[in-house]
Amino acid sequence: QVQLVESGGGVVQPGTSLRLSCAASGFTFSSSGMHWVRQAPGRGLEWVANILNDGSEVSYVDSVKGRFTISRDDSKNTVYLQMNSLRTEDTAVYYCAKDRGFTWSFDYWGQGTLVTVSS
Amino acid sequence: HSALTQPASVSGSPGQSITISCTGTSSDVGRYNYVSWYQQHPGKAPKLMIYEVSNRPSGVSNRISGSKSGNTASLTISGLQAEDEADYYCASFTSDSSWVFGGGTKLTVL
Repeated sequence: QVQLVESGGGVVQPGTSLRLSCAASGFTFSSSGMHWVRQAPGRGLEWVANILNDGSEVSYVDSVKGRFTISRDDSKNTVYLQMNSLRTEDTAVYYCAKDRGFTWSFDYWGQGTLVTVSS
Repeated sequence: HSALTQPASVSGSPGQSITISCTGTSSDVGRYNYVSWYQQHPGKAPKLMIYEVSNRPSGVSNRISGSKSGNTASLTISGLQAEDEADYYCASFTSDSSWVFGGGTKLTVL
């Protein structure tokens, strides 16, 4: 069965960095686009970043462009989100999600990892 | 892209039908048939309920259906059950190759 397991969350100060990981299993990772989606406490979902199955293209929500970088390591079946210059408004649960094969939807989600940016 | 517009809450009694709307623009909902819907129970990860406007993934109840007209997509749940009580989010692919979610709708089963 498909499993996505996020890790790397924690409490950090504004201006610092954090790297999230999402370990995937149960499907052909190298054939799947992957996303990061976040949810601030008590708020709705916000799409953050996407990487295509071959890593040839990435995209980001405007609020994280220039600060966050999505990448993947197909040898480890893992997708990453490098977050630099963190702001208090980046506080959220971060989910990784699998793209449903060119339907531009998210068919499997991890359990999420909480990132808290606070001084 | 601004968030898609959903009603903050809807409610219905068991057995009834409800519809949740999701309004975007000609750059997202109106431009592509890449609208999807997600159910989220408290403290849980979202679950895909509808993709490409009206397609149900395997395992999703046929009481769930989706449609679109112009810049507005809709999710309909018929034969409401207590287990349907959750938050629902729409999402759409956009013209700048990004994705945008709706603000979410809290469904209460009375």
